[in-house]
Amino acid sequence: DTEVTQTPKHLVMGMTNKKSLKCEQHMGHRAMYWYKQKAKKPPELMFVYSYEKLSINESVPSRFSPECPNSSLLNLHLHALQPEDSALYLCASSQSRVETQYFGPGTRLLVL
Amino acid sequence: AQSVTQLDSQVPVFEEAPVELRCNYSSSVSVYLFWYVQYPNQGLQLLLKYLSGSTLVKGINGFEAEFNKSQTSFHLRKPSVHISDTAEYFCAVTPSSSASKIIFGSGTRLSIRP
Repeated sequence: DTEVTQTPKHLVMGMTNKKSLKCEQHMGHRAMYWYKQKAKKPPELMFVYSYEKLSINESVPSRFSPECPNSSLLNLHLHALQPEDSALYLCASSQSRVETQYFGPGTRLLVL
Repeated sequence: AQSVTQLDSQVPVFEEAPVELRCNYSSSVSVYLFWYVQYPNQGLQLLLKYLSGSTLVKGINGFEAEFNKSQTSFHLRKPSVHISDTAEYFCAVTPSSSASKIIFGSGTRLSIRP
């Protein structure tokens, strides 16, 4: 199994909703990442988890809350988002922080 | 700090023609270099990577890239493109000491004309 899976594929939410994005990998990777990608732009790093501990937070607003319950799973909890948070949210994983990152298909989020 | 410049935002090419997508980088430390492809409405897929060793790197789908340290370039090439190669291509760099923070270029949209 060499893939990163993300659910849901699409998500529409209102500004008062609470929702979560889920990412899973079964490659034994110990580093996992969240990226945000706006249309026609490259991905921007949000968070890095290494060995289930948050190691990088790229000054992301607190309305985004990451969680790494175990080495295979990474969640992104969303609360009180703004319309400008609409984007493709990509998850990635790597063997370690110095290894190649492999990306999931993304969750396309629309905030109304 | 590292930076990546993809010189062409769009490259239109006829089917079966060769293509080169240009990438230049800047870094004061040793780096790893990557090309990722993003097909419409999909995530990123690793095409190829340069970590060390031979400067000519072969990847998936018939793509290859050459690392040129003196020119600080990592151009992507394919001798004959197909309609299915239509996608966004991102060049990326990380410091070899820590690949956590990938620096992506702005992307090149490759459009293949029949």
